[in-house]
Amino acid sequence: ELKVEQNPLFLSMQEGKNYTIYCNYSTTSDRLYWYRQDPGKSLESLFVLLSNGAVKQEGRLMASLDTKARLSTLHITAAVHDLSATYFCAVDIRGSQGNLIFGKGTKLSVKP
Amino acid sequence: NAGVTQTPKFQVLKTGQSMTLQCAQDMNHNSMYWYRQDPGMGLRLIYYSASEGTTDKGEVPNGYNVSRLNKREFSLRLESAAPSQTSVYFCASSEIGYADTQYFGPGTRLTVL
Repeated sequence: ELKVEQNPLFLSMQEGKNYTIYCNYSTTSDRLYWYRQDPGKSLESLFVLLSNGAVKQEGRLMASLDTKARLSTLHITAAVHDLSATYFCAVDIRGSQGNLIFGKGTKLSVKP
Repeated sequence: NAGVTQTPKFQVLKTGQSMTLQCAQDMNHNSMYWYRQDPGMGLRLIYYSASEGTTDKGEVPNGYNVSRLNKREFSLRLESAAPSQTSVYFCASSEIGYADTQYFGPGTRLTVL
């Protein structure tokens, strides 16, 4: 059974600080996704990581994937209040038709 | 393009009532999905449809049925609602491909009393 674990589940940061969210998964997978969800809203796709060593960056967010360690990280640089949201990682089941297993999410709160 | 749309946005049911959640996408995607999201949990897959005419169970299918009406539409039916089905339901769609990002609808917030 594929399990996806995120940590931390809650993160309170000060503006301007850096931090990393971790996503571990239990079995081999080809693709890893990061999504953002604002309170009461839907999920917005941030990154798709397709291979070992993949790194993608968008603004203050950078995601990486280490398939050998079964680990992805989402690094936040110089946090701003607008980044406050819940961040989910999701892993596809190899050989499935796009079935994703989601982590429980990391609720990020960026304070002035 | 509207993307993925869902109706209704909110619904309150009594235990034992039935209802259908509607989902439509205008991105010409082959695959569609239904998830539920509960507090403190990630999203859990209920059913999916890899292509028109096919449906398969996901992680938590009990108490639900689905219909892939055509390429655009994928509905989720609760035949006899239970309080344990109180949740936010999201529909998603994706193209079958190497990086098939799923695009999510706005969600339906369902309360079963």
